Amino acid sequence: AQSVTQPDIHITVSEGASLELRCNYSYGATPYLFWYVQSPGQGLQLLLKYFSGDTLVQGIKGFEAEFKRSQSSFNLRKPSVHWSDAAEYFCAVATRNTDKLIFGTGTRLQVFP
Amino acid sequence: DTEVTQTPKHLVMGMTNKKSLKCEQHMGHRAMYWYKQKAKKPPELMFVYSYEKLSINESVPSRFSPECPNSSLLNLHLHALQPEDSALYLCASARLAGGYNEQFFGPGTRLTVL
Repeated sequence: AQSVTQPDIHITVSEGASLELRCNYSYGATPYLFWYVQSPGQGLQLLLKYFSGDTLVQGIKGFEAEFKRSQSSFNLRKPSVHWSDAAEYFCAVATRNTDKLIFGTGTRLQVFP
Repeated sequence: DTEVTQTPKHLVMGMTNKKSLKCEQHMGHRAMYWYKQKAKKPPELMFVYSYEKLSINESVPSRFSPECPNSSLLNLHLHALQPEDSALYLCASARLAGGYNEQFFGPGTRLTVL
C-alpha cells in the first residue's frame, strides 16, 4: 500500500534561514507527488507537484522540491524563510490509476523573527 | 472564477440537529471531493463524485450523506452527529481530463458538535 512519511512533526527556524522539510514515500512505481501548505483554519494550497521529467521542481512562494527515486524522497526546500511561511506543510502522493491523495502526517513550521 | 467556496465557515450543532454543508465551484470541474480533517491530522478522504455520480465512499457512517445536485455544487448532509465528528470539512474539485486530476481545495467548514 502507498504511504507517506514526514519524519519531522515540528520545525522551528529563524526568519531568513534556509529550510528543508523531509518527505519519504512508499510506492512500487513513481507516483505523483505534491506539497501542500495549510495556514491555521484554512484550506490546502498546492505549493508544487511532480509528475515526471526534471527532478527539481519549482513551486510558488519561492519553494522547490527534489525528487530522488533512489531515496524515495521528495524534500521541500526554501533558501530564505519569511515569517509568513509559518504553517502546516503536507506531503502527499497519488497513484497513477486513481485520484486518491494520500497525505503525510504534516510538519508544522514555526518561524522566529 | 478559480476557487472553491464553502459555506458556512463555521457551524455549531447539537447531536439531534440536521444541517448541511455546501461546496461550490465554477471552474467546469467534473470531480468533487469531501475530506474530513481532525486537529493536527492530515485530511482524510470521505467521498468522491465523478460526473455527478458517487464513485468513492470511504466507509463513511450513514449520518453523513453526500449529494451532488449538479456539476458545480456538492452538499454534505449531517444528521445525528457525534462530538467526535467535530472537525474541519474540506471540499475539493478536479477537472477530470486524463492523467492525474489536480485537486483544488476550498477553505473548509469548521464543524463543532455539542
